[in-house]
Amino acid sequence: EPEVTQTPSHQVTQMGQEVILRCVPISNHLYFYWYRQILGQKVEFLVSFYNNEISEKSEIFDDQFSVERPDGSNFTLKIRSTKLEDSAMYFCASEAFFGQGTRLTVV
Amino acid sequence: LAKTTQPISMDSYEGQEVNITCSHNNIATNDYITWYQQFPSQGPRFIIQGYKTKVTNEVASLFIPADRKSSTLSLPRVSLSDTAVYYCLVGPNYGGATNKLIFGTGTLLAVQP
Repeated sequence: EPEVTQTPSHQVTQMGQEVILRCVPISNHLYFYWYRQILGQKVEFLVSFYNNEISEKSEIFDDQFSVERPDGSNFTLKIRSTKLEDSAMYFCASEAFFGQGTRLTVV
Repeated sequence: LAKTTQPISMDSYEGQEVNITCSHNNIATNDYITWYQQFPSQGPRFIIQGYKTKVTNEVASLFIPADRKSSTLSLPRVSLSDTAVYYCLVGPNYGGATNKLIFGTGTLLAVQP
């Protein structure tokens, strides 16, 4: 079964630092997403990406966030200046299929 | 997107069949019904998707009545490892997930020995 691969599995960073979360989606898929889940809360939509551009983004996805697919395979989420409240599990989805997530802890 | 309502939690015992019902009274004509499973600290896992009547795969069955205002996920002979949160989602084009998914709080299924 094809998999969505996310790296790293865990990331600890200091407040104000930039982080890049990486995802390798399923190869023949066209629609990609980032979601996040704060501990004990719902899975929340962040952004959708199609045809090399953002197709929709949520209110959470402010100017501190960006996504790109630089080489046609990796799909990245960048948080420019992390805040404590960015601590969460971040999930990449390739159409209906999710990766195992990156646990981001901002200290 | 249609709002869904499902029980907050359910308890079961190993070997039993579990049925989790989701109501979606405002489902639209082009909406599909999709169920996901999530274990703690893991990504949601696609279980099954349907549009009408019955769909079965190696993991579960999905029953959808003619009016499509509800659906029931059926898990045959659950084991301890089926303890997880189960989400019912309703929306268009989920066959290829060309639209964002809106998750509710889901149903926490606890399977006891």
